[in-house]
Amino acid sequence: GENVEQHPSTLSVQEGDSAVIKCTYSDSASNYFPWYKQELGKGPQLIIDIRSNVGEKKDQRIAVTLNKTAKHFSLHITETQPEDSAVYFCAARRGSQGNLIFGKGTKLSVKP
Amino acid sequence: SAVISQKPSRDICQRGTSLTIQCQVDSQVTMMFWYRQQPGQSLTLIATANQGSEATYESGFVIDKFPISRPNLTFSTLTVSNMSPEDSSIYLCSAKIGAAVSYEQYFGPGTRLTVT
Repeated sequence: GENVEQHPSTLSVQEGDSAVIKCTYSDSASNYFPWYKQELGKGPQLIIDIRSNVGEKKDQRIAVTLNKTAKHFSLHITETQPEDSAVYFCAARRGSQGNLIFGKGTKLSVKP
Repeated sequence: SAVISQKPSRDICQRGTSLTIQCQVDSQVTMMFWYRQQPGQSLTLIATANQGSEATYESGFVIDKFPISRPNLTFSTLTVSNMSPEDSSIYLCSAKIGAAVSYEQYFGPGTRLTVT
């Protein structure tokens, strides 16, 4: 079955710097890759996603890139702010019937 | 997107008792999911709940321990039965939103359960 690995497990950056979180997946049939942000005491919030027919997607300060050949995808956050501090989860899904398979999460700390 | 609410938001329960968690979605959805998230860990799917049919459980989870109801297209419940301290966790409700092929999945705020 699908396996999603996420790195790093913790990431500390200075406010204004960029942050990059990387995930690799094992199932070449996976075609949907969402990213979730989970703040302390809250449920995961979908922040951006990408499907296998595109290589990059941007939404203001966040972007996701996908390399299908290498089976990895990354989350890029530019101009980080303290409110970006949270745990970020990547996930992968195969088709419309598959379940989301989550990475183990990255705890991002943005220091003012 | 969708607004998903859960009740209770947190509870402290004694071992051997049961707790029912409610999940309400602000729109009709075909598929709902229940996840468990142990402290500092990732999300583990417990079961998928479709309206009008039995829930589908993942390996390691059984109906007797985690019975699920799905009486309509906006509501579901998860019961954690005969609780032990190992059941202390965050329980998250999730719903499939959008077209059948290109749907997105949204989560509720979670129910934080502590079993003493």
